[in-house]
Amino acid sequence: EAQVTQNPRYLITVTGKKLTVTCSQNMNHEYMSWYRQDPGLGLRQIYYSMNVEVTDKGDVPEGYKVSRKEKRNFPLILESPSPNQTSLYFCASSLSWQKASTDTQYFGPGTRLTVL
Amino acid sequence: DQQVKQNSPSLSVQEGRISILNCDYTNSMFDYFLWYKKYPAEGPTFLISISSIKDKNEDGRFTVFLNKSAKHLSLHIVPSQPGDSAVYFCAASGKDSNYQLIWGAGTKLIIKP
Repeated sequence: EAQVTQNPRYLITVTGKKLTVTCSQNMNHEYMSWYRQDPGLGLRQIYYSMNVEVTDKGDVPEGYKVSRKEKRNFPLILESPSPNQTSLYFCASSLSWQKASTDTQYFGPGTRLTVL
Repeated sequence: DQQVKQNSPSLSVQEGRISILNCDYTNSMFDYFLWYKKYPAEGPTFLISISSIKDKNEDGRFTVFLNKSAKHLSLHIVPSQPGDSAVYFCAASGKDSNYQLIWGAGTKLIIKP
């Protein structure tokens, strides 16, 4: 089954404790992206990757890191989480950046992160 | 400063009637506009899109209308069904956003039986 998987689905952590949210897709997609969803703000892009070893900042990259060492995986790293990073996080993938901007992105089920 | 705005947080419609979801934008340079649908505890799923060179795009029960002069787009669902109850996000992309999607805050659609 074609899908985007994220782990963990739920995470409660404390300020300053490094964490990684994994994202994996099995569709051989070139383009991958991370978003956060907050009430009243919709989805805001954190980072995106147009291909392996190519990453770029989105609208809200502060406090986050990503890497794209292989095509299928795009982990999101929070080196020193803070309470303002409490949010619902989505990973997404698409055949290409062109497809992502005009057509379909496939989203994972989301990771609900709480930073105390 | 939100470039894509969905001013109605929620909308309630009777089953079988037309649902109209609205979206306004401020950047006239957007090239594409997309609608996504999201159920609770799931990621958004793509619904329909429209290029800025068109004013209408239809896919089954879903039609998107684009009014460039008013910087306004709308999603029409006819007839509305219970399974349409979800949050609907409008998004836009263009050269100014480096072709990355800029999203609205979403409208929660409730279809009443």
